[in-house]
Amino acid sequence: ETGVTQSPTHLIKTRGQQVTLRCSSQSGHNTVSWYQQALGQGPQFIFQYYREEENGRGNFPPRFSGLQFPNYSSELNVNALELDDSALYLCASKSNYGYTFGSGTRLTVV
Amino acid sequence: KQEVTQIPAALSVPEGENLVLNCSFTDSAIYNLQWFRQDPGKGLTSLLLIQSSQREQTSGRLNASLDKSSGRSTLYIAASQPGDSATYLCAVPLMNTGNQFYFGTGTSLTVIP
Repeated sequence: ETGVTQSPTHLIKTRGQQVTLRCSSQSGHNTVSWYQQALGQGPQFIFQYYREEENGRGNFPPRFSGLQFPNYSSELNVNALELDDSALYLCASKSNYGYTFGSGTRLTVV
Repeated sequence: KQEVTQIPAALSVPEGENLVLNCSFTDSAIYNLQWFRQDPGKGLTSLLLIQSSQREQTSGRLNASLDKSSGRSTLYIAASQPGDSATYLCAVPLMNTGNQFYFGTGTSLTVIP
């Protein structure tokens, strides 16, 4: 148990659809980041939220958006899904001991 | 832009061997460097975090070193076990981006019983 929970664990969507992925972190972890990991690659930074505001973004188009809530949960939303969006999506929350990652959501776009 | 490279991409060793995984990064303005372990299809488990002011960190059979000036880190695993089989990733956040991690592509380790 890492303290960071992601849901769902697996998801299959059709090209063009929209998807919402969820992450729940521990109380007091005000910073949450989202990463996309394609097969055989290292994770790529999507964006980061601190106290419900986006405060950093990687090289991802606007159809990738997010929300962070006061209860330390967050969402990653992806619109107009493309085949290349198929990947493992990881969220991470920050504590004084570094980053803790969740187990990820495996998204397959067909 | 920070680039992180890990060598080798894959490594296979017999049980009991000591081994070294390498990580290099192009921009030395880092807050820290973190080593992670990833089992197939799973999330990341943090192994060691080295602050930019430190030279090394140890946890059990693992020892990580950091040389900021040369842009290198190594992860040393002593007396390898089959349970060590996994992908090992290093990651660095740049100072001017705060907490955005740049990851290497990882080293896939197989320890043969």
